[in-house]
Amino acid sequence: EAGVTQFPSHSVIEKGQTVTLRCDPISGHDNLYWYRRVMGKEIKFLLHFVKESKQDESGMPNNRFLAERTGGTYSTLKVQPAELEDSGVYFCASSKLDTQYFGPGTRLTVL
Amino acid sequence: GENVEQHPSTLSVQEGDSAVIKCTYSDSASNYFPWYKQELGKGPQLIIDIRSNVGEKKDQRIAVTLNKTAKHFSLHITETQPEDSAVYFCAAEAYNFNKFYFGSGTKLNVKP
Repeated sequence: EAGVTQFPSHSVIEKGQTVTLRCDPISGHDNLYWYRRVMGKEIKFLLHFVKESKQDESGMPNNRFLAERTGGTYSTLKVQPAELEDSGVYFCASSKLDTQYFGPGTRLTVL
Repeated sequence: GENVEQHPSTLSVQEGDSAVIKCTYSDSASNYFPWYKQELGKGPQLIIDIRSNVGEKKDQRIAVTLNKTAKHFSLHITETQPEDSAVYFCAAEAYNFNKFYFGSGTKLNVKP
């Protein structure tokens, strides 16, 4: 069974540009989560999808971040326009019940 | 909301010794506590978890203990090996809320 995959693995962009991150969850997992880890700090929750619906987006930092999960399969997280403080590693996770399985992450660097 | 604190931030042990990582949480409604191991260049991998109706769980060299009254839980690794070197994260999940609150991570270095 394939795990959670994320694309790209790294992204370097300039302040003000747009970046879109993609996550493909484990097949059959209705729950999909986005998290972010900023340098040396804890992994912080961003939002949670159940199928295509946003269950909880309380962790989204501001309206420059837009997450979608059309059709309830893969998800995208768009940052527009990117700011320096958006740099970090963005993780996606999926689950059937409690146990969340994480992807390898996308390292975003905003210059 | 929940607040999870994790200590120590770095831990260096000799191969064969034991390692203990401790976490505290603030929300008494939390009832699921997973531990993740993150190796360089990879995502966090679940290594063990415990639910609030259990005080201890063991899986080979890894064990987790939970004290609900004191709101703390710990990861114990015995007979450490160099391949145990990684960053370990604890997390807490409140019932039915699904989102995890993570500790800040412990970088474990096992010296051969």
